[in-house]
Amino acid sequence: RKEVEQDPGPFNVPEGATVAFNCTYSNSASQSFFWYRQDCRKEPKLLMSVYSSGNEDGRFTAQLNRASQYISLLIRDSKLSDSATYLCVVNPGDNDMRFGAGTRLTVKP
Amino acid sequence: GAVVSQHPSRVICKSGTSVKIECRSLDFQATTMFWYRQFPKQSLMLMATSNEGSKATYEQGVEKDKFLINHASLTLSTLTVTSAHPEDSSFYICSVWAGGSGNTIYFGEGSWLTVV
Repeated sequence: RKEVEQDPGPFNVPEGATVAFNCTYSNSASQSFFWYRQDCRKEPKLLMSVYSSGNEDGRFTAQLNRASQYISLLIRDSKLSDSATYLCVVNPGDNDMRFGAGTRLTVKP
Repeated sequence: GAVVSQHPSRVICKSGTSVKIECRSLDFQATTMFWYRQFPKQSLMLMATSNEGSKATYEQGVEKDKFLINHASLTLSTLTVTSAHPEDSSFYICSVWAGGSGNTIYFGEGSWLTVV
């Protein structure tokens, strides 16, 4: 089993749609959780951290369920500019980061 | 501004030659840096974890004698692709661990390597 698993995608949605990505992690001792965004032929960039209480940043909402070892990212009112690959990232501790394979999102007019 | 600087952004080399890629932490001292490789339309793959002042830790399947990593200072790690082959052509990205209150990683801009 991979340490971090994501929905394989791709997700193709119309503008304005709501889309949700899921991610599970295997190490129950993992401490921190993040969503990164990677545009084509570019480096990944931090989108948002994920907190136990859940957190929201504009149209983006992240949730963490430690009991189920599950992380989610919800994008509301999706824009064309949201098209990218979304990476689930987990810190299992000790200056380490583990990435999911990424979920590709395409938002169409 | 950029937190991590990677150089060169693009490089073309001949088969059999070696190429060095630099990763610099601009804003803080980095005891840990990571090197990744990403083939077109594939996911990011961790190659190795670079630790300042000690040997790098390589992921399974990554040849340490082919991909030489040096992390001699708290702001610089280098990846040298030795005896490059066309199949080594890829996007190489470094990242820096920002521990403490930041507790996340920042990526360099990446380096496109083409071996001809």
